[in-house]
Amino acid sequence: GESVGLHLPTLSVQEGDNSIINCAYSNSASDYFIWYKQESGKGPQFIIDIRSNMDKRQGQRVTVLLNKTVKHLSLQIAATQPGDSAVYFCAEKDPHSGGGADGLTFGKGTHLIIQP
Amino acid sequence: NAGVTQTPKFQVLKTGQSMTLQCAQDMNHEYMSWYRQDPGMGLRLIHYSVGAGITDQGEVPNGYNVSRSTTEDFPLRLLSAAPSQTSVYFCASSYSIGMVGELFFGEGSRLTVL
Repeated sequence: GESVGLHLPTLSVQEGDNSIINCAYSNSASDYFIWYKQESGKGPQFIIDIRSNMDKRQGQRVTVLLNKTVKHLSLQIAATQPGDSAVYFCAEKDPHSGGGADGLTFGKGTHLIIQP
Repeated sequence: NAGVTQTPKFQVLKTGQSMTLQCAQDMNHEYMSWYRQDPGMGLRLIHYSVGAGITDQGEVPNGYNVSRSTTEDFPLRLLSAAPSQTSVYFCASSYSIGMVGELFFGEGSRLTVL
């Protein structure tokens, strides 16, 4: 099966700067994408999602961009704060359940480190 | 706001022992699932349920059993633990399988099999 990957395993940013976390996907059939945040020792937490009929979606301090042409997904975090330190991973959903019974395929994650 | 509650948080087993990981949610969610998280890999689906009395296998079901007698509870049973089952296990729920991306996860159960 196809898998979701990440460009960088670790991203270090200065507090107050913007962070951009990238995700590449290879399943062109995927029609729904999600970003999760996982703090150390805790379970993943839903951040934001986007459907394939959109190319941008904004939340509170976060923006997800979807480029279907190059199969690329990114999560932008504005004015990064210490509380943003976590592992961020993306997931894609194949409507034909190519990635498991619920159709979700999860990426491995990027560790975001905030420097003071 | 309890959300999804998993117990125990940590467990050490010997090879061949059996145990049950408990999961309960208080959000009246139809969909519940179990994942395992291993280093260097994304979450992998073990079993899932779309409602009370209905369960099905995910990507990596071997060695695990589940049942869903109530909407709230979805326990995961390890029948005969093996070192390959050393992992962090997450229970998750969502309103329905149609909203499966908006998963609520528990805090995880870290299992070590010696």
